Amino acid sequence: AQSVTQLGSHVSVSEGALVLLRCNYSSSVPPYLFWYVQYPNQGLQLLLKYTTGATLVKGINGFEAEFKKSETSFHLTKPSAHMSDAAEYFCAVSDPNAGKSTFGDGTTLTVKP
Amino acid sequence: KAGVTQTPRYLIKTRGQQVTLSCSPISGHRSVSWYQQTPGQGLQFLFEYFSETQRNKGNFPGRFSGRQFSNSRSEMNVSTLELGDSALYLCASSLLSQGAGNTIYFGEGSWLTVV
Repeated sequence: AQSVTQLGSHVSVSEGALVLLRCNYSSSVPPYLFWYVQYPNQGLQLLLKYTTGATLVKGINGFEAEFKKSETSFHLTKPSAHMSDAAEYFCAVSDPNAGKSTFGDGTTLTVKP
Repeated sequence: KAGVTQTPRYLIKTRGQQVTLSCSPISGHRSVSWYQQTPGQGLQFLFEYFSETQRNKGNFPGRFSGRQFSNSRSEMNVSTLELGDSALYLCASSLLSQGAGNTIYFGEGSWLTVV
């Protein structure tokens, strides 16, 4: 069975500071991993995804994530937070055997001026 | 290219009633999945349809059902509504099956309030 754990339901950073959102996964096979962002009253939008190949994945809006198999992690980072980054972020794992995607509980990012 | 379209966006129903939500996927996408999002339970997978066949189902009671039409449009139905069914229902589409690592594209959701 696959599962996703997002550490910290709420993260608060100052504008210009580093953003680090943590995600650990469990999967019986090499996983596909995703980060999605959800702005208020909207659906989820893909930030980035890892399938195979390079373990450092760059996404939209300056975000990137690194797949670390030994740590079963896929943490999301951004060097400098912007006010517009305030949103809820979801990590997800997709397992070919399960035939579906499993989402974490989400992390709400607050950016302080 | 139009995104995933869900209708209605907002609705209020009474306990015991039933509701049907509609989803039009991105053109060419054959997989449509449904999720329930609530503050307490997060994002919960309901089911996935691919080429009119249900491929996967989450842990929801039989009151939750869905179908997919030949044009890939999908509907989900909830019968005998309960207060706990109040949630944001998200539809998502992908080119192929979710499990193959394909990107899922979400609609803006249908907000259901049960009173």
